[in-house]
Amino acid sequence: AQKVTQTQTSISVMEKTTVTMDCVYETRDSSYFLFWYKQTASGEIVFLIRQDSYKKENATEGHYSLNFQKPKSSIGLIITATQIEDSAVYFCAMRENTEGADRLTFGKGTQLIIQP
Amino acid sequence: NAGVIQTPRHKVTGKGQEATLWCEPISGHSAVFWYRQTIVQGLEFLTYFRNQAPIDDSGMPKERFSAQMPNQSHSTLKIQSTQPQDSAVYLCASSPGQRNSDYTFGSGTRLLVI
Repeated sequence: AQKVTQTQTSISVMEKTTVTMDCVYETRDSSYFLFWYKQTASGEIVFLIRQDSYKKENATEGHYSLNFQKPKSSIGLIITATQIEDSAVYFCAMRENTEGADRLTFGKGTQLIIQP
Repeated sequence: NAGVIQTPRHKVTGKGQEATLWCEPISGHSAVFWYRQTIVQGLEFLTYFRNQAPIDDSGMPKERFSAQMPNQSHSTLKIQSTQPQDSAVYLCASSPGQRNSDYTFGSGTRLLVI
């Protein structure tokens, strides 16, 4: 069974700095997809960025990028030049690339606090 | 595109009553998912549909929870004989259906059972 673990419960950083949030996963599949989502204070959950396991290049999207280390089953989210509005809870998720494996398995989330 | 629409946003029910939650997925999305979010358990998968057909309900508590998708424009999650432990935010999401597709989540229904 797939499992996603985010060990950092909460992180606090100063505005305009760079922050990395950790995520490790377990899967028996050689092909899978990794996602990061953001949940704002209003409860809205928004997709941020995706990494396909068969791609060696780390995905980037605006001021979000990923640190994908497949041998370590790790997918870190890096946010550069953080802004106050980046304060939110960030979820890592995984989907295996097998028939019928359509659901995402989520980690417990990391709360990010950006201080002015 | 109004996104995934969930109604009601908030619902309060008495213990033992029935609660029905509604979801309107994004038009053209073939996969619809239901999750439950609590502080303790986080985001828990409940069930999902593909092209209106139920595919996986392995996360559903068997006795009191049921989900349906009678047409491509809406899905319902019904909880019979609600209990205080059912209190949670129930989230619906839809996806175009490819395995590398992300989800679009609705705003959720916050259910409180008193």
